[in-house]
Amino acid sequence: KAGVTQTPRYLIKTRGQQVTLSCSPISGHRSVSWYQQTPGQGLQFLFEYFSETQRNKGNFPGRFSGRQFSNSRSEMNVSTLELGDSALYLCASSEGYGYTFGSGTRLTVV
Amino acid sequence: GQNIDQPTEMTATEGAIVQINCTYQTSGFNGLFWYQQHAGEAPTFLSYNVLDGLEEKGRFSSFLSRSKGYSYLLLKELQMKDSASYLCAVSPRSGAGSYQLTFGKGTKLSVIP
Repeated sequence: KAGVTQTPRYLIKTRGQQVTLSCSPISGHRSVSWYQQTPGQGLQFLFEYFSETQRNKGNFPGRFSGRQFSNSRSEMNVSTLELGDSALYLCASSEGYGYTFGSGTRLTVV
Repeated sequence: GQNIDQPTEMTATEGAIVQINCTYQTSGFNGLFWYQQHAGEAPTFLSYNVLDGLEEKGRFSSFLSRSKGYSYLLLKELQMKDSASYLCAVSPRSGAGSYQLTFGKGTKLSVIP
């Protein structure tokens, strides 16, 4: 069974740009969640999607958005990038209790 | 709100036993997870506690006291490869509804020879 796949692994963007990150969950998993991980704040919840619907959203500005497609693949978008958005973005899929995480996308904003 | 506390760093000797504590205050509680994360890698699932008591899985055990809002992860016969961050996470909801984990900031464990 393939794991959670995130692309790309690394990204370097300039302040003010926008970025789209992709996540393919484990086959059969309908819940996809996104987290931001930074050394100072740890893992912080961004949002969760289930069957193409956003079920829950964390405390992040509207610049952070996401969506889920009918095949459960998910994307998250960050617009008007700021230096503070530099982080590891982790996607996790679930079919019940517990997450399986992808390897993450390391975003660096310069 | 949610508040999860765990020590920032710990150091232990190869072959020894180490206990990583986690205390939590949450508005709702369903269960508690422990994840292991090696530097530069994804977190991987270690354990899940719903009921009070000790869950043992090989060299790793996890304990939960719901009344005290307290959990610990016990690692026995430490190996160098156990050097990693250990994340405590609380599941605030039950059932198959919206699913979100709240994570502590993690405990960085260094195992020394």
